[in-house]
Amino acid sequence: DAGVIQSPRHEVTEMGQEVTLRCKPISGHDYLFWYRQTMMRGLELLIYFNNNVPIDDSGMPEDRFSAKMPNASFSTLKIQPSEPRDSAVYFCASSLQGNPPLHFGNGTRLTVT
Amino acid sequence: AQSVTQPDIHITVSEGASLELRCNYSYGATPYLFWYVQSPGQGLQLLLKYFSGDTLVQGIKGFEAEFKRSQSSFNLRKPSVHWSDAAEYFCAVDKRGSTLGRLYFGRGTQLTVWP
Repeated sequence: DAGVIQSPRHEVTEMGQEVTLRCKPISGHDYLFWYRQTMMRGLELLIYFNNNVPIDDSGMPEDRFSAKMPNASFSTLKIQPSEPRDSAVYFCASSLQGNPPLHFGNGTRLTVT
Repeated sequence: AQSVTQPDIHITVSEGASLELRCNYSYGATPYLFWYVQSPGQGLQLLLKYFSGDTLVQGIKGFEAEFKRSQSSFNLRKPSVHWSDAAEYFCAVDKRGSTLGRLYFGRGTQLTVWP
């Protein structure tokens, strides 16, 4: 079991640029979650999918953020345009049939200058 | 209103000392309860979980946690801390039912271990 795989591990970009974060869930898992971790707000859920369909995106901060899951083994979180306040660690997690626990990736540390 | 409270932002203990990290939640029903650990630059690793049954649960790395319904608490303990336990610890709840696997996290407790 390779676990949840996220790429890149680190991303440094300039304000205004587009950023794409990637996630491969554990094979067979049908729920996928995107979390963001900041010092100010801790860990907060951005969006989650079930069987590739977005179920709850109420945590997505603004229209600059979008997430897709084109198939069961791949998801992206895109920020366009990026802003310095988007700097955070973004985690992807997956689970089977919505049953706990969640399995987390190692995260992508995003820095927007 | 915050659903999961970890009142201690930072705890420092000496190696070999006992440890207790506090967690309280504020839901009407008993949720699923979890403790995760995050080492620097790493993702969140599950330490232990409580779903039902025995209120004292054992986890990895010698950790245990006790669920106390009357106090809405799920405190994490370890009898003797090792230097490698230095990390950030997160309590989390899953409210069950319609939220299906969605976790609500506390703000975390940073653990420093003195040699």
